Amino acid sequence: LAKTTQPISMDSYEGQEVNITCSHNNIATNDYITWYQQFPSQGPRFIIQGYKTKVTNEVASLFIPADRKSSTLSLPRVSLSDTAVYYCLVGLYNQGGKLIFGQGTELSVKP
Amino acid sequence: GAVVSQHPSWVICKSGTSVKIECRSLDFQATTMFWYRQFPKQSLMLMATSNEGSKATYEQGVEKDKFLINHASLTLSTLTVTSAHPEDSSFYICSALRTAPGGNTIYFGEGSWLTVV
Repeated sequence: LAKTTQPISMDSYEGQEVNITCSHNNIATNDYITWYQQFPSQGPRFIIQGYKTKVTNEVASLFIPADRKSSTLSLPRVSLSDTAVYYCLVGLYNQGGKLIFGQGTELSVKP
Repeated sequence: GAVVSQHPSWVICKSGTSVKIECRSLDFQATTMFWYRQFPKQSLMLMATSNEGSKATYEQGVEKDKFLINHASLTLSTLTVTSAHPEDSSFYICSALRTAPGGNTIYFGEGSWLTVV
């Protein structure tokens, strides 16, 4: 299973754009990249998923370079409520959808 | 979006008793569900893969006789913690795999807090 590496923590201020990068050097050909957000005492919430290039939805953008060995989650204009742990995962199609969580990135948004 | 629901959200049980946690996919059928546990300030740890109509597949180090998993229908998987002990106290989270022509996605439940006293 592809292993992911993310910064353990990041700080930001309200209104700023936040970019969280994840490395996944041994990503498999048919692996998708999925990002989740988790608040304390809640299950992870799906944010965005992509395979290559750029994906954008109403809450975030996901940038994936051509070699797919890394990906960057971009959160535009964060607010205090975006303070959470963000997880990058790869897999989904390999191992029947089994997702192995890494440490995640604890994002702290300050006023 | 797809919804996965867990019940109960929290439960307190006495040491030595068993407790069951349910995981339901509310708007899609899931042949595959997953169970995780999470300790405070730590990441999610995969416990087992629940397969509809067949036995669950457990991760290394997870006691299958202690954590019984049943996936009797396409929308329901249950985790039963048998003979619970205080060290089993944790946050248990399930997820369900939704397969679709446009791509597969994993959705997580809200989680269930178990406290064993």
